[in-house]
Amino acid sequence: GAVVSQHPSWVICKSGTSVKIECRSLDFQATTMFWYRQFPKQSLMLMATSNEGSKATYEQGVEKDKFLINHASLTLSTLTVTSAHPEDSSFYICSASEPSYNEQFFGPGTRLTVL
Amino acid sequence: GQQLNQSPQSMFIQEGEDVSMNCTSSSIFNTWLWYKQDPGEGPVLLIALYKAGELTSNGRLTAQFGITRKDSFLNISASIPSDVGIYFCAGQLGSGNQFYFGTGTSLTVIP
Repeated sequence: GAVVSQHPSWVICKSGTSVKIECRSLDFQATTMFWYRQFPKQSLMLMATSNEGSKATYEQGVEKDKFLINHASLTLSTLTVTSAHPEDSSFYICSASEPSYNEQFFGPGTRLTVL
Repeated sequence: GQQLNQSPQSMFIQEGEDVSMNCTSSSIFNTWLWYKQDPGEGPVLLIALYKAGELTSNGRLTAQFGITRKDSFLNISASIPSDVGIYFCAGQLGSGNQFYFGTGTSLTVIP
């Protein structure tokens, strides 16, 4: 299957700082990438859909000014958590999709801890 | 968003036993995917289903796309300790790219 990487895998930051998470499709071009948030023992919660070269589409209840998404190329999408607070601590996972595959391939996730 | 009901929520089984879990929805999907997630990692795709009635195997895993297009099943035969994890179903409506995820089934295999 296709490979998606995520960086960093673990980040600890102070409250009020911003954190950027990168998602890369390594062996295919991803016209669409998705960002999820997952709390312990729960399912994945879709935050936003990121399309290359256009603005991201955010799910209801997700603050677009707090979770900035940039999909500048067909292999890279970034999620920036701005002015992070302890309640933003979570496991963030990206996935990438290429229409001909009709499947989603997930990155390994990023564990964010805000102190 | 769409609601996918996955059951059972958790399972505790003896090594060697077979496992069965399912996912149901009130909506019709055109694609079903099954994933396994280990702790602290991203989900890994196990099986993809594209046609109603389709039955697909991947080693000891077998999944089926329900005839009504509103459900899917995953079976694991002769379970082993490394099968431990959380299994998610995901369904896609129509031509859109978004997948909706089930609530997950946590599997524990007792050696």
